[in-house]
Amino acid sequence: NAGVTQTPKFQVLKTGQSMTLQCAQDMNHNSMYWYRQDPGMGLRLIYYSASEGTTDKGEVPNGYNVSRLNKREFSLRLESAAPSQTSVYFCASTGGGWGNQPQHFGDGTRLSIL
Amino acid sequence: QKEVEQNSGPLSVPEGAIASLNCTYSDRVSQSFFWYRQYSGKSPELIMSIYSNGDKEDGRFTAQLNKASQYVSLLIRDSQPSDSATYLCAVYNTDKLIFGTGTRLQVFP
Repeated sequence: NAGVTQTPKFQVLKTGQSMTLQCAQDMNHNSMYWYRQDPGMGLRLIYYSASEGTTDKGEVPNGYNVSRLNKREFSLRLESAAPSQTSVYFCASTGGGWGNQPQHFGDGTRLSIL
Repeated sequence: QKEVEQNSGPLSVPEGAIASLNCTYSDRVSQSFFWYRQYSGKSPELIMSIYSNGDKEDGRFTAQLNKASQYVSLLIRDSQPSDSATYLCAVYNTDKLIFGTGTRLQVFP
């Protein structure tokens, strides 16, 4: 049972390069989320998608874009990577949208920007 | 004031003891509360959820919620070295889930 799958697991980029982080879930969940986690900062929400066809900004959206490709897939794009975007990125999903449903996390993408 | 606050620790307890982890939140209308465990280099995994005042027990874990005082706690009984991890408190309010920065727990033999 795969749950939430993120690719790639590791990536090193140069400043100014672009890339897309992929996320897919096989639990038929409606809502999907992208977080970044930095030392001492906890998990901070970048963007979320409450349902297929909708996306909304979270706490730290600057420098990122997202696409909810279908119900299963939610991608995060860095158009012009900056060293401040070095972080661990987690994708999560939940069945009932915000509220009383817990989130299930992928294994994370460790991204370094040089 | 942070929306969700946790002591960063580390909290060190001997094996077999009770570990008590605390979390306070600022928004009185918060509705749902979760505890996640995160091992170093791994993703968070849900261990407890609680939605109403009082205690909720699941095995060695007990979550306690006091909405009047705006705190939620996690007790781990008979702590094991394998419980050594960072514990994240998460609080849902209105339209988003807010995570605390986590408390690092160390259980020593």
